[in-house]
Amino acid sequence: DIQMTQSPSSLSASVRDRVTITCRASQGIGNYLAWYQQTPGKVPKVLIYAASTLQSGVPSRFSGSGSGTDFTLTISSLQPEDVATYYCQKYNSAPLTFGGGTKVEIK
Amino acid sequence: EVQLLESGGNLVQPGGSLRLSCAASGFTFNNYAMSWVRQAPGKGLEWVSTISGSGGSTYYTDSVKGRISVSRDNSKNTLYLQMDSLRAEDTAVYYCAKSDRYMFYLEHWGQGTLVTVSS
Repeated sequence: DIQMTQSPSSLSASVRDRVTITCRASQGIGNYLAWYQQTPGKVPKVLIYAASTLQSGVPSRFSGSGSGTDFTLTISSLQPEDVATYYCQKYNSAPLTFGGGTKVEIK
Repeated sequence: EVQLLESGGNLVQPGGSLRLSCAASGFTFNNYAMSWVRQAPGKGLEWVSTISGSGGSTYYTDSVKGRISVSRDNSKNTLYLQMDSLRAEDTAVYYCAKSDRYMFYLEHWGQGTLVTVSS
């Protein structure tokens, strides 16, 4: 099965900083990659699908890139409401594996 | 508006059984694949199972194969997860989630239901 590895597992950044999270697949998955945000105590919500397509209603400071095995989620200007854990997920075929998550905090 | 409402979570002893339900509304249920995702306390998200819109195709993570089965009743707009031979490591919040019409990413999520496996 394809493994999904996220890095870093946690990070601390200042408001308005640019934040980048990486997700690596152990084999190529094309662009079948989604990013989810889970704020503390809340249900996960999709931010990006097809590696770079922003879900409707998601702020434009979020962006995604990559294809094949290497993907990134970027927050261009970190806001206090972005404190959350972020997960990548492959969905080209089962199993629809999630990455281990990246916890983002404000410094 | 899409709504997904899980129910059936409970405290159950190891080796016991439980059936989770997810009542769906606000969309044409049989047009969409549905999934179950779980999250153990303080841990990350784990995909558990997916079922196609017709119910004809099902997929499972290895750790639940043979113990857990997914099904759906399209006449009742309801998704199910039958959980047997439960283990302590199955303790988690279980979310049902609706896929996009053409791709399997999880577009909408329910609020979750807690399953606790303990003696």
